[in-house]
Order: sequence, then structure tokens, then C-alpha cells
Amino acid sequence: DAGVIQSPRHEVTEMGQEVTLRCKPISGHDYLFWYRQTMMRGLELLIYFNNNVPIDDSGMPEDRFSAKMPNASFSTLKIQPSEPRDSAVYFCASSLSDQGGEQYFGPGTRLTVT
Amino acid sequence: AQSVTQLGSHVSVSEGALVLLRCNYSSSVPPYLFWYVQYPNQGLQLLLKYTSAATLVKGINGFEAEFKKSETSFHLTKPSAHMSDAAEYFCAVSGSGAGSYQLTFGKGTKLSVIP
Repeated sequence: DAGVIQSPRHEVTEMGQEVTLRCKPISGHDYLFWYRQTMMRGLELLIYFNNNVPIDDSGMPEDRFSAKMPNASFSTLKIQPSEPRDSAVYFCASSLSDQGGEQYFGPGTRLTVT
Repeated sequence: AQSVTQLGSHVSVSEGALVLLRCNYSSSVPPYLFWYVQYPNQGLQLLLKYTSAATLVKGINGFEAEFKKSETSFHLTKPSAHMSDAAEYFCAVSGSGAGSYQLTFGKGTKLSVIP
């Protein structure tokens, strides 16, 4: 398996622009997680899905952030409008419900908002 | 709610020396416990996982961790550090019940290996 795939790997955008981050989980995994990593706050869980349904979005910082999972093999995290404080590395991870919670992480998308 | 405390945001060891990275969790029920490693500009990679089958868990790259319920600890060790071990290490604990698939991560410990 190719592992969790994220695109783009790097994104540089200007404040106010819309940003869309993409994730393809490991085939067969039924949980998908979006995290944000910054020096100040560490690794934060933003939202997670089970069988394509959002289960907990309490970590989404504000209404500018939205996430969707239209099917089992694709998810997006959208920021509209983007702000400089959104600059971070965003990770997607997936897991299988009968594997005791271990999550497999993608390589991340480094977002820079100028 | 679960929480994880990693003592020491930075640890430096000499090549060949013992590596000890500390992790304490707070939970009334022994959860699943994990150690992940993050190399620069990469995602997190699972090092090892505790599942209650054995208190001493062996992972990849010569690392192991011992679960001590009485101390609510899950420290990571490696007998002899190698330059390639330089990375950031994260301890994580799973939730319980409906939240058992969420992981709560510690703030990470950056390991430096001095030649």
C-alpha cells in the first residue's frame, strides 16, 4: 500500500485566499483524522471521520475551516479565507477500527499564508 | 479526558549512550499507548504500541517501552543511541469508550545525538 497520500506537500498563498488540502487514506481504513502542527501548540486534532461521517469537529478553530469526506478514499480540508496564523503543517492520518487505535500519518502539507 | 505529559522538550545524548524519553499519562483505565517518531519534514511514524498483552513492548529500530500502571508511565528506551535516532518523539494515549479511536499526543521530545 502507498500509505496515506497528501497533496500538495507545500502551499504558499496570500491572506484571504481559499486553500484546499487533500488526503487519500489507506485503502480499507474506516477512520480519517486531520491534525495541525505548530511550534507553539504542538499537534492538534482538528476533526475526524468514521465511515465518511464527521464524528468530532470540536478541534476546528473557527468557521473558516471546513472538512469533507465525500467517499472512503478522499477527504479535503478547506480554509476560506486564509490568515497568516493558519500557517502550519497539516497532517492527515487514517486507522482501522479493529487495530487498537494506531494511526498512520501522511507526509503532511506545509501551509504558509503571507 | 486523557492527557499525556512528556518530561523534557529536548534531550541530548552521546552516540552509544542510553536513550530514555519519559512519558506519563493520566487515565483511570489502562488505554492503548503509543510512541511515534517524526523525522524532519516527515509525518509521524509508529514506533511501538502497548495493548496490555505485555508490559514491555519492543518496537522498531531497537526501541522499547515499559508500561508501569502503578506509575502511570510509559517511558521509551534504547540501549545505545545512533546518529539516525535524532528526531522528535511523541507519546500518545487513546481515548476510552466512544472516543477510543482518538489519540491524545504529548508535546514531543526532540532527541539530539552528539557524535
